[in-house]
Amino acid sequence: GAVVSQHPSWVICKSGTSVKIECRSLDFQATTMFWYRQFPKQSLMLMATSNEGSKATYEQGVEKDKFLINHASLTLSTLTVTSAHPEDSSFYICSARGEQGVNQPQHFGDGTRLSIL
Amino acid sequence: AQTVTQSQPEMSVQEAETVTLSCTYDTSESNYYLFWYKQPPSRQMILVIRQEAYKQQNATENRFSVNFQKAAKSFSLKISDSQLGDTAMYFCAFMKLENRDDKIIFGKGTRLHILP
Repeated sequence: GAVVSQHPSWVICKSGTSVKIECRSLDFQATTMFWYRQFPKQSLMLMATSNEGSKATYEQGVEKDKFLINHASLTLSTLTVTSAHPEDSSFYICSARGEQGVNQPQHFGDGTRLSIL
Repeated sequence: AQTVTQSQPEMSVQEAETVTLSCTYDTSESNYYLFWYKQPPSRQMILVIRQEAYKQQNATENRFSVNFQKAAKSFSLKISDSQLGDTAMYFCAFMKLENRDDKIIFGKGTRLHILP
């Protein structure tokens, strides 16, 4: 089955630093990737949708200058949390959809636990 | 706008029993998918079952089956012969079928505990 790899799985860093999370589709070309944030015991909240080669579309309330998304190739999207602060600590999950578009479900990465000290 | 409602925040059942998780949704779309996702403590998102709205037949996957009532906008998940490994958070989700950017909308989830 389709595999989406997310890296790192866990990162701890100091307040003020920037953190990059990678999401790779290993065996298919991901035309669309999605980034979610999940707080403890809560549901997944969509942050943004990115299509390869174009700017990401951010959900209302998500700061695009804070959460930089790049989808430069059909197999890689990155989320950079800039100048991270403790309130940015959360679980971030990516998902990817392939060329078949809407008829293909999203495949999820295993998530990244981000802890800002 | 579409919404997904899961009215049971938490449930517990004994191993080997059958349990049903409720889900209702609201949409004006006619073509869409409904999903149940499982998120165990490892926090992986695992697709349990998928239902296309145009299909009248309820989807089944081994011990997992759904009761899809399109007119009532209801999509419940039944887990038969529950096992300890079924302990997880379960999310009901909706996705319209229009274009590649269509996003999945998740319910708030039901935390299911299977007791030994």
